Amino acid sequence: EVQLVESGGGLIQPGGSLRLSCAASGFSVSSNYMSWVRQAPGKGLDWVSVIYSDATTYYADSVKGRFTISRDNSKNTLYLQMNSLRAEDTAVYYCAKGASGSYLFDYWGQGTLVTVSS
Amino acid sequence: QSALTQPRSVSGSPGQSVTISCTGTSSDVGGYNYVSWYQQHPGKAPKLMIYDVSKRPSGVPDRFSGSKSGNTASLTISGLQAEDEADYYCCSYAGRYTLVFGGGTKLTVL
Repeated sequence: EVQLVESGGGLIQPGGSLRLSCAASGFSVSSNYMSWVRQAPGKGLDWVSVIYSDATTYYADSVKGRFTISRDNSKNTLYLQMNSLRAEDTAVYYCAKGASGSYLFDYWGQGTLVTVSS
Repeated sequence: QSALTQPRSVSGSPGQSVTISCTGTSSDVGGYNYVSWYQQHPGKAPKLMIYDVSKRPSGVPDRFSGSKSGNTASLTISGLQAEDEADYYCCSYAGRYTLVFGGGTKLTVL
């Protein structure tokens, strides 16, 4: 059974850093593309970043240069390092599993809340 | 990377059909057959309902269907049921290995 469990969210001051984790089970994170998708309170879904099976990474313009997506194949875990955090980064962050041959997210975690506030 | 355009809300009575539109550009919706749709109930994670414009994952009722014409994709839900009340989001491949979501549509079952 595929499962994704995010952790690492919390309250952080503007300008601070935070690292989110997404522990995967039931499949290998290295064999699929994985993304982070966020949702600000009361707002819609917002694609953040993706890491492909060949380890290439891509980012939304809003986080480029501040966020870094990575994975640890030995731990089967996806990460999102978030630096220079801003109030507008406040959101629930979901990790999502992609499916080869298309662009879709077939499994999602339950999300972890990041609040950027002084 | 501008968000795709969806109506903020739609509504319908049980048994009726509703259609949710998702308008993008030739650089995303119109350029690729990689449109997916997600259902999200309050406080829950999104759930994949449609992918590759019109394909249904196993377990999704055939009341849900998708289509595309030009730069606009559509999700149609027929035979509306109370449990269909949720937020719906479209998502499209936007080139250069990136994706973009729509702003979301709140479906109310009257």
